[in-house]
Amino acid sequence: DGGITQSPKYLFRKEGQNVTLSCEQNLNHDAMYWYRQDPGQGLRLIYYSQIVNDFQKGDIAEGYSVSREKKESFPLTVTSAQKNPTAFYLCASSRAGTSYNEQFFGPGTRLTVL
Amino acid sequence: DQQVKQNSPSLSVQEGRISILNCDYTNSMFDYFLWYKKYPAEGPTFLISISSIKDKNEDGRFTVFLNKSAKHLSLHIVPSQPGDSAVYFCAARVTGSQGNLIFGKGTKLSVKP
Repeated sequence: DGGITQSPKYLFRKEGQNVTLSCEQNLNHDAMYWYRQDPGQGLRLIYYSQIVNDFQKGDIAEGYSVSREKKESFPLTVTSAQKNPTAFYLCASSRAGTSYNEQFFGPGTRLTVL
Repeated sequence: DQQVKQNSPSLSVQEGRISILNCDYTNSMFDYFLWYKKYPAEGPTFLISISSIKDKNEDGRFTVFLNKSAKHLSLHIVPSQPGDSAVYFCAARVTGSQGNLIFGKGTKLSVKP
């Protein structure tokens, strides 16, 4: 049963703490993405990775960091430098290249910074 | 500046009728357009896509129309069902961007029984 898992579904952290959001996929996809969604807003791209050990900044990368040590995993760290970290975070994956552009999304993690 | 715009935040339709969700874009370099459906507190689910070289794509109750000259696309749902009630996002891919998508802000569809 292939898919994308994100854990936990809800996460609370104190201001000033770094926090890492998990994203795992067993779809054998090369590309993975992190988006952020705020109320009434569309999805905004934070980081993406087209291949293991390589990743690129998206539109709103400041205050975030990622790693891509394994094909299946693409964790996102929300650092204390992120000014407004409370949001709904979505991870996605897709085949790489120009022919396949459908992205499959995980269930999301809602992060609340107190 | 928004490259993908969904100007209607919400839409209410009677069950059995047609739902038409609209999307406008400003970037002529988009080569693929997609529609996603999203329920609260869940990830978006892919619905249907269309290449910029086509003007129509149909999948069951869902049809997407693309008007390149007007930089406009629309999603038609016929007939609408209460289970279609969700937020619908329009997304577009820049040619050569290797899959990075730009999303609109979404339109909340309510289908009333």
